[in-house]
Amino acid sequence: DTAVSQTPKYLVTQMGNDKSIKCEQNLGHDTMYWYKQDSKKFLKIMFSYNNKELIINETVPNRFSPKSPDKAHLNLHINSLELGDSAVYFCASSPIDKRGYTFGSGTRLTVV
Amino acid sequence: LAKTTQPISMDSYEGQEVNITCSHNNIATNDYITWYQQFPSQGPRFIIQGYKTKVTNEVASLFIPADRKSSTLSLPRVSLSDTAVYYCLVGGGNNNDMRFGAGTRLTVKP
Repeated sequence: DTAVSQTPKYLVTQMGNDKSIKCEQNLGHDTMYWYKQDSKKFLKIMFSYNNKELIINETVPNRFSPKSPDKAHLNLHINSLELGDSAVYFCASSPIDKRGYTFGSGTRLTVV
Repeated sequence: LAKTTQPISMDSYEGQEVNITCSHNNIATNDYITWYQQFPSQGPRFIIQGYKTKVTNEVASLFIPADRKSSTLSLPRVSLSDTAVYYCLVGGGNNNDMRFGAGTRLTVKP
């Protein structure tokens, strides 16, 4: 199936830990994104990667670092997790014209 | 980037037509208007996209007036399963990224 897949679906971890969320797309899209959706359900863009090059960094803390080994993958590493990092994180991809986004099913991160 | 304004919530009943209007006064010449639907615990899903006039697909219609400063998503004969949050996005022109607004929470009642 053509899709954007992200793992894990759920992630519960303690404050101070380091964790990663993986994302893969097989749509042949040129750009991949990470979005954060907080408890108020507002979707905020965090990062955008175009052909392995970071083109957006929406003032997120540097504890968050995207890693893109190739055009089909964009992983999100989070260091020293804080309670406020608890949210649902969505990976997405789009073609070069950015007119249509395909989203993954989300990773619910809970920091305790 | 163009900012969008849409109602926070709407209620409807099964079988009715629902129209959700979005304002985007500073839309750029090359920007497209796109609507997404999000169910709880799922990622947003593309519904429809347009540039001007009217676009229709198997799910919805999108009406865009000549000045393009607003758009209306029309859902015909909604069912309970249409209960979701609907986002209006403007962008995509000149390879600009699209930004999500607060969305409209549609609740369809029996």
